[in-house]
Amino acid sequence: RKEVEQDPGPFNVPEGATVAFNCTYSNSASQSFFWYRQDCRKEPKLLMSVYSSGNEDGRFTAQLNRASQYISLLIRDSKLSDSATYLCVVNGLNTGGFKTIFGAGTRLFVKA
Amino acid sequence: NAGVTQTPKFQVLKTGQSMTLQCAQDMNHEYMSWYRQDPGMGLRLIHYSVGAGITDQGEVPNGYNVSRSTTEDFPLRLLSAAPSQTSVYFCASKNTGAGNTIYFGEGSWLTVV
Repeated sequence: RKEVEQDPGPFNVPEGATVAFNCTYSNSASQSFFWYRQDCRKEPKLLMSVYSSGNEDGRFTAQLNRASQYISLLIRDSKLSDSATYLCVVNGLNTGGFKTIFGAGTRLFVKA
Repeated sequence: NAGVTQTPKFQVLKTGQSMTLQCAQDMNHEYMSWYRQDPGMGLRLIHYSVGAGITDQGEVPNGYNVSRSTTEDFPLRLLSAAPSQTSVYFCASKNTGAGNTIYFGEGSWLTVV
């Protein structure tokens, strides 16, 4: 089992749609969580951190469920510019020491 | 406002050649790492370092060496390039606290022929 698993995608949605991505992690000692966005042929960039109480940034909402070991990202009112790959990132101590683990990413296509 | 700087951005190598990908950060981050990303795939950790003089292997270390003589620099050396090492390489850095976010360089596109 991978340490961080994401919906494989791709997600194809029309403009204005609401879309949700899920991510599960296997290490219960994981300490912090993030969503990153990666555009084609570009480096990943931080989209938002994920807090236990849930957090919102404009059209984006992130949730964390420690009991079930998953995080989610909700995008409301999708824009064409939201088309990208979304990476789930988990930080924490592991048997091999400190680790930052990336999910494989979920590809989103928003169409007019 | 440099952040993480990688060079070169593009490189073509012949099988068996060696080369070094340079990475420098100006944020005084303790943690630095190298990832490779193959087409349609996720990031795979090659090597990482939690401070000057300390390096460790990641998920796919074979064929690569690293060193960390200063806090700022973390070069990645390909010892004898193989076509399987054709990939995009990203250098990244962060502070070592678990809550700190990771910052990436713009990537180095390497083709081995």
